[in-house]
Amino acid sequence: LAKTTQPISMDSYEGQEVNITCSHNNIATNDYITWYQQFPSQGPRFIIQGYKTKVTNEVASLFIPADRKSSTLSLPRVSLSDTAVYYCLVGDTLNTGGFKTIFGAGTRLFVKA
Amino acid sequence: GAGVSQTPSNKVTEKGKYVELRCDPISGHTALYWYRQSLGQGPEFLIYFQGTGAADDSGLPNDRFFAVRPEGSVSTLKIQRTERGDSAVYLCASSLEGHTNTEAFFGQGTRLTVV
Repeated sequence: LAKTTQPISMDSYEGQEVNITCSHNNIATNDYITWYQQFPSQGPRFIIQGYKTKVTNEVASLFIPADRKSSTLSLPRVSLSDTAVYYCLVGDTLNTGGFKTIFGAGTRLFVKA
Repeated sequence: GAGVSQTPSNKVTEKGKYVELRCDPISGHTALYWYRQSLGQGPEFLIYFQGTGAADDSGLPNDRFFAVRPEGSVSTLKIQRTERGDSAVYLCASSLEGHTNTEAFFGQGTRLTVV
């Protein structure tokens, strides 16, 4: 199974840039890397997705090295409202044809004032 | 509605009872997923539908769990003879396509408590 490893938790202060790194050594050739954000009592929400190099949208950037065995989610100038759990996902295309998404335990980001 | 809707938002049931959890996906989304999330854990995959058929049900923990999507839109997750260990938040998600490289939209979840 394609599996991801992330830090369990991270602390930051408002206005700082936060980088969360995820390891996915067994990523398959066709897999994309996707990050979700989850607030308490809500379902996960898509943040960003990428295949290689760098992807940027209005809320985050995603950096993926050439070997694709890891990725880094970058949140610029975090605010208190960015306190949430962040999940890194890769598809399980090796075993199930790409329809089974494995969530790890995620990284709990706590932003302080 | 604009998003994925799950009902009820909360369900308390007695051990041994039968429950049904409903998911209304975003209109036009062919793929539908069910997940289960326990406190402090990431969502755990249960089953995936592409249209009306279950394309992957390998995450269902045992035969007490069953899900249907008869018309390719609304889905119902059914749990028979509920056990206290079934207590969790059950999340539903839908996407335009069935591949994991496509953004999935999640509902708010149904919090199931078995007493």
